[in-house]
Amino acid sequence: AQTVTQSQPEMSVQEAETVTLSCTYDTSESDYYLFWYKQPPSRQMILVIRQEAYKQQNATENRFSVNFQKAAKSFSLKISDSQLGDAAMYFCALYSGGGADGLTFGKGTHLIIQP
Amino acid sequence: NAGVTQTPKFQVLKTGQSMTLQCAQDMNHNSMYWYRQDPGMGLRLIYYSASEGTTDKGEVPNGYNVSRLNKREFSLRLESAAPSQTSVYFCASREFSSYNSPLHFGNGTRLTVT
Repeated sequence: AQTVTQSQPEMSVQEAETVTLSCTYDTSESDYYLFWYKQPPSRQMILVIRQEAYKQQNATENRFSVNFQKAAKSFSLKISDSQLGDAAMYFCALYSGGGADGLTFGKGTHLIIQP
Repeated sequence: NAGVTQTPKFQVLKTGQSMTLQCAQDMNHNSMYWYRQDPGMGLRLIYYSASEGTTDKGEVPNGYNVSRLNKREFSLRLESAAPSQTSVYFCASREFSSYNSPLHFGNGTRLTVT
């Protein structure tokens, strides 16, 4: 079975600062995808960024970037120049295709932005 | 574009009542999913449909049934609601059941069972 662990239930950062959210995972598959989803208070699930396991280069989307360490099975999300609109729950998710379909999600990190 | 539409947005049931959560997508996606979200638990897969005409159990299927009515629609039914089914339910879809096809989510249904 595959697992995703987010060890930080809550993080707080000052506006304009940088914050890193941690995620570790476990899968027996060699090919897989990793995702970060954002869930603001509106409850909508928004895809932030995704990483293909076979790509060594870390994915980047504007102020969002990942640090993908395949050997360590680590997939952290870095948010630069934090903005008030970044306040949300952030979920790390894994898709490896083995067994049941669908993504396996971590329990989430609640990110607070201090003005 | 509507994307993934779920109805209703909120529902309160008494224990033992039944109801169906509706989900429709207009993106011509092949795969559809039902998740539940509970505090401190993240999202857990209830059932999924990899393609029209197929459905399979996910991580937490007990107490639920699903129907893939056509390519667009995938409904979730609670035959006899229990307080443990109080949760936020999300429907999602994606183009293919494959690695690089991202999930698109509906806005969720908040269900309370008293």
